Amino acid sequence: AQKITQTQPGMFVQEKEAVTLDCTYDTSDPSYGLFWYKQPSSGEMIFLIYQGSYDQQNATEGRYSLNFQKARKSANLVISASQLGDSAMYFCAMREGITGGGNKLTFGTGTQLKVEL
Amino acid sequence: DAGITQSPRHKVTETGTPVTLRCHQTENHRYMYWYRQDPGHGLRLIHYSYGVKDTDKGEVSDGYSVSRSKTEDFLLTLESATSSQTSVYFCAISPLEDREQFFGPGTRLTVL
Repeated sequence: AQKITQTQPGMFVQEKEAVTLDCTYDTSDPSYGLFWYKQPSSGEMIFLIYQGSYDQQNATEGRYSLNFQKARKSANLVISASQLGDSAMYFCAMREGITGGGNKLTFGTGTQLKVEL
Repeated sequence: DAGITQSPRHKVTETGTPVTLRCHQTENHRYMYWYRQDPGHGLRLIHYSYGVKDTDKGEVSDGYSVSRSKTEDFLLTLESATSSQTSVYFCAISPLEDREQFFGPGTRLTVL
């Protein structure tokens, strides 16, 4: 079974509108972390936001927020006031549990976002 | 930006030849990782290191080996490159075991 599922291969949004990128995850570990990364066409991987499984509040970083619904096992990324520079591939990733094992991330297949005028 | 460099940035090689990719960091972070990125698969972990001389396998480790003799350098070796190893390779580092990783610029490897 896929540990991270991103069901939207591509999305369009109008400039200045908000957009939600979906991510669902599968784990039986009570301790885990969820991450979102952005990959522009230039190829670099840029960290956006992190949510820990025990965090009580949804994470926010500037125009990025993570809509964390633990019972539904979803961790959707919300980008407010989209800008042309937000056009990129977005990856959701998960780290499962245990210390001593390194921070091994499992990535989803990504969502290609295009912001239009 | 985290100080991570990868070398070479591009490489074309032939099937059966050995290839070594280098990741160098100036952040003194304990954890280092090698991923490969292929269309339709996102990023997949090849190997990682949790300290000097401490390494372990990831999801797609077959055909790859790694070494870390210094904190700042993490080498990925393809002993005998195959066409299925054509990919973009990313190195990542993190200071903490359970928080975000910072990625290098990537190496595009083509095996003919």
